[in-house]
Amino acid sequence: NAGVTQTPKFQVLKTGQSMTLQCAQDMNHNSMYWYRQDPGMGLRLIYYSASEGTTDKGEVPNGYNVSRLNKREFSLRLESAAPSQTSVYFCASSEGQGPYYGYTFGSGTRLTVV
Amino acid sequence: AQSVTQLGSHVSVSEGALVLLRCNYSSSVPPYLFWYVQYPNQGLQLLLKYTSAATLVKGINGFEAEFKKSETSFHLTKPSAHMSDAAEYFCAVSGETSGSRLTFGEGTQLTVNP
Repeated sequence: NAGVTQTPKFQVLKTGQSMTLQCAQDMNHNSMYWYRQDPGMGLRLIYYSASEGTTDKGEVPNGYNVSRLNKREFSLRLESAAPSQTSVYFCASSEGQGPYYGYTFGSGTRLTVV
Repeated sequence: AQSVTQLGSHVSVSEGALVLLRCNYSSSVPPYLFWYVQYPNQGLQLLLKYTSAATLVKGINGFEAEFKKSETSFHLTKPSAHMSDAAEYFCAVSGETSGSRLTFGEGTQLTVNP
């Protein structure tokens, strides 16, 4: 009954360091997403994967890369972290590509870049 | 493209009072609308969704929302607030042109006073 699992839950990086945020879902969902949440700005889409083997840019993709490793896993990589990437990152999944499904969210990763 | 505007970044009510959280949408295609709730240090949880089947939608924890096309609104209500309703609430929209991607509003922080 895990749903969407994100690791790590917390991370502090120095400017210029790299890291990968991991996300896995066990609901056999087709579509997966990465959002960032910043105060007063709601959630903004970074990248998404409509189905296994495909990825597309969202609203704020600069500075990030993604990999849809298989149907279950969708990772987000910061190649050279910047203070502007300090945020809470959420992974989500949905059953299909239609507009009516809605998402299941992970519990988030709090990232601080110093 | 779709967007949502949540009126009021902070709403404060007394326990037992009516909760009204406002959301207006903009969409060039028939919208699908969602309300999510986020408790402190957690991910987002689906409260309810409108997918054109019925204009009055009932969700979890006693919340409901009414789709009003003439007003382009999808306001969230609950007749009697509980202390446990204190959280941040997000309205989101998708449409046939966006597939399963959701666009979120900026969020409304609900405070419930004893």
